[in-house]
Amino acid sequence: GNSVTQMEGPVTLSEEAFLTINCTYTATGYPSLFWYVQYPGEGLQLLLKATKADDKGSNKGFEATYRKETTSFHLEKGSVQVSDSAVYFCALGKGGSEKLVFGKGMKLTVNP
Amino acid sequence: DTAVSQTPKYLVTQMGNDKSIKCEQNLGHDTMYWYKQDSKKFLKIMFSYNNKELIINETVPNRFSPKSPDKAHLNLHINSLELGDSAVYFCASSQLRRDRSNYGYTFGSGTRLTVV
Repeated sequence: GNSVTQMEGPVTLSEEAFLTINCTYTATGYPSLFWYVQYPGEGLQLLLKATKADDKGSNKGFEATYRKETTSFHLEKGSVQVSDSAVYFCALGKGGSEKLVFGKGMKLTVNP
Repeated sequence: DTAVSQTPKYLVTQMGNDKSIKCEQNLGHDTMYWYKQDSKKFLKIMFSYNNKELIINETVPNRFSPKSPDKAHLNLHINSLELGDSAVYFCASSQLRRDRSNYGYTFGSGTRLTVV
């Protein structure tokens, strides 16, 4: 079946450090890929997405590229801020009404 | 206006009680979901409804019963609550697109259920 494997953390970084969160997936066909972010005490928010191979999703300084050859969708940000402290989830979805399959989430803490 | 709203935000109740969580979306989406997030932040789908019809029913105890009176509402009723039901429950919605691609969900802010 479809599955997502991501770094679990927790990870602590200093402000302005470079961030990479690895995500790999297993799926048949051509799924859409997502990164969601959950700030403390809140629900999940869509951070970025990519719907086909080689697409790059970007938002708020975060980027991820859909790599079909390596079945990966790694999240990167060049310079993290304290406000980026949150839990990050990689997810996979196929078809408009099919369920999203989530990774286990990674808690990021950014210190000033 | 909140796109996906859940009530209540917090729910503390005793074992054995019956409780309901309500969800409403004003996005015009045709599909709604319930997810459970455990203490380790792991998210697991419970149910999904498309235009009031149940389309996903994962392995969930039958004490959990979803109900969708219309496509904008999906409620979750839980009978005979147990300690292990303590979690955060998230409602979400999405829209089937013509090209059948998946553009992801819009989530509610969650209901933190604590069973004591």
